[in-house]
Amino acid sequence: QSALTQPPSASGSRGQSVAISCTGTSSDVGAYNSVSWYQQHPGKAPKLMIYEVNKRPSGVPDRFSGSKSGNTASLTVSGLHTEDEADYYCSSFAGTNNLLFGGGTKLTVL
Amino acid sequence: QVQLMQSGSELKKPGASVKLSCKASGCTFTSCALNWLRQAPGHGLEWMGWMDSKGGNPAYAQGFTGRFVFSLDTSVSTAYLQISGLKAEDTAIYYCAKEGYGDSNAFDIWGQGTMLTVSS
Repeated sequence: QSALTQPPSASGSRGQSVAISCTGTSSDVGAYNSVSWYQQHPGKAPKLMIYEVNKRPSGVPDRFSGSKSGNTASLTVSGLHTEDEADYYCSSFAGTNNLLFGGGTKLTVL
Repeated sequence: QVQLMQSGSELKKPGASVKLSCKASGCTFTSCALNWLRQAPGHGLEWMGWMDSKGGNPAYAQGFTGRFVFSLDTSVSTAYLQISGLKAEDTAIYYCAKEGYGDSNAFDIWGQGTMLTVSS
């Protein structure tokens, strides 16, 4: 069982928006603004999409946005593109030498 | 541009040891905080720990103590992960990744991964 809880799957049609949740506790997601989101295509290494809850690395489209409320963080993908179909993982700092990941969400673009 | 190049796939028998490598280029090695992560087949990511490339003090996540050892060779800008007493459940892709954006605990550069298979 993963430390952070993500839905196993999510889907949306091209052009629509979809939100993926990441639920932790008051000791991790709720305690720190060190929530990150990664995109992983099959057979590839993960790619950082969001860091520190809502910051985008250079080169990541602004269709990707992050937010947090209490113990739950969310990644929203707006205007879905076919290439957004991938697995998405959240992570959160949880104290010294403790970084937790979610189990991953498979995003399907219909 | 920072790049991390990992060693090739490994096939090992249970009980054996393996040493995986991660060579950094494009960054001052002593300023690259390199982390190790594991992804078992069909599973999610697990953070194993990291190596402070300045002081050389490794930090291990729970569940990755004892059989797992991080080391560095700064002369060749390479980090290593050694796993001893291999078990079938160690079969996974092992990634090294660089932490970016200060103390964000976010990994902006990843190696391509090393597939380790443990099987008799």
